[in-house]
Amino acid sequence: GQNIDQPTEMTATEGAIVQINCTYQTSGFNGLFWYQQHAGEAPTFLSYNVLDGLEEKGRFSSFLSRSKGYSYLLLKELQMKDSASYLCAVLESNYQLIWGAGTKLIIKP
Amino acid sequence: GAVVSQHPSRVICKSGTSVKIECRSLDFQATTMFWYRQFPKQSLMLMATSNEGSKATYEQGVEKDKFLINHASLTLSTLTVTSAHPEDSSFYICSARDLAGGDTGELFFGEGSRLTVL
Repeated sequence: GQNIDQPTEMTATEGAIVQINCTYQTSGFNGLFWYQQHAGEAPTFLSYNVLDGLEEKGRFSSFLSRSKGYSYLLLKELQMKDSASYLCAVLESNYQLIWGAGTKLIIKP
Repeated sequence: GAVVSQHPSRVICKSGTSVKIECRSLDFQATTMFWYRQFPKQSLMLMATSNEGSKATYEQGVEKDKFLINHASLTLSTLTVTSAHPEDSSFYICSARDLAGGDTGELFFGEGSRLTVL
C-alpha cells in the first residue's frame, strides 16, 4: 500500500540546523517533493529529488535514497520565519502525488 | 516561474448555496489541474484531477455531483461546491503542471480558497 511517514512535530533553535526525515512506500516512483506550508497558506515548492543524493539550495538541502525509501530535508541557519509545516510528497508513476501528513517545525529564539 | 492564480481567496456563504472557485494558469498552459482540500491540522487531500476538454477524475469518496469541476480551456479550471453545507468548510487549493515547459513534475499551486459555510 501507499504510506508516507514523517514526524508530526519538531522543535529547533534559531540559528541551528534541523533535519526532517521522510520514509515512503508507494506504487511506483517518479520523484519526491518537499513543500513548505505556513498556516492558512498554500504550500510552496522547496525541492524535488528523483535521483539518489543530496540537492543543495541555499539554506535548504534535500537528500534521497530510493533503495531505502528515505528522504530528508535539512534546514541550516534556522530563522524564525522557517516556522511552518514541511510536507513530503511522492510522485507516483501515474503522476498522482501522495502526501505525508506534514511535520510542524517550531523555531524558538 | 509558472504562476497559478486562484480566486476568491476567501468566501463565506449560507448553507444550501453554491460557490465557484476559479483556478487560472497565468503564463503557461495547463492540460491537467489538480484540486485539493485541506481540513484544519490535516494534510492536503487530492479531490480530483481536472483534464482540459474531458471529464474530471474524482478520488474515492469525493462526490462528483457535489463538487463540479470544469476545465474548459488550457488556462482555466473551476470547482463549484453545490448546495454547500458547514461540513464543506475547508481550504481548497488548486495546482497545475507545466507539461510543455520541460516538465519536472513540479506542481504550481494557487493561493488557496478558504470556504466558510454558515
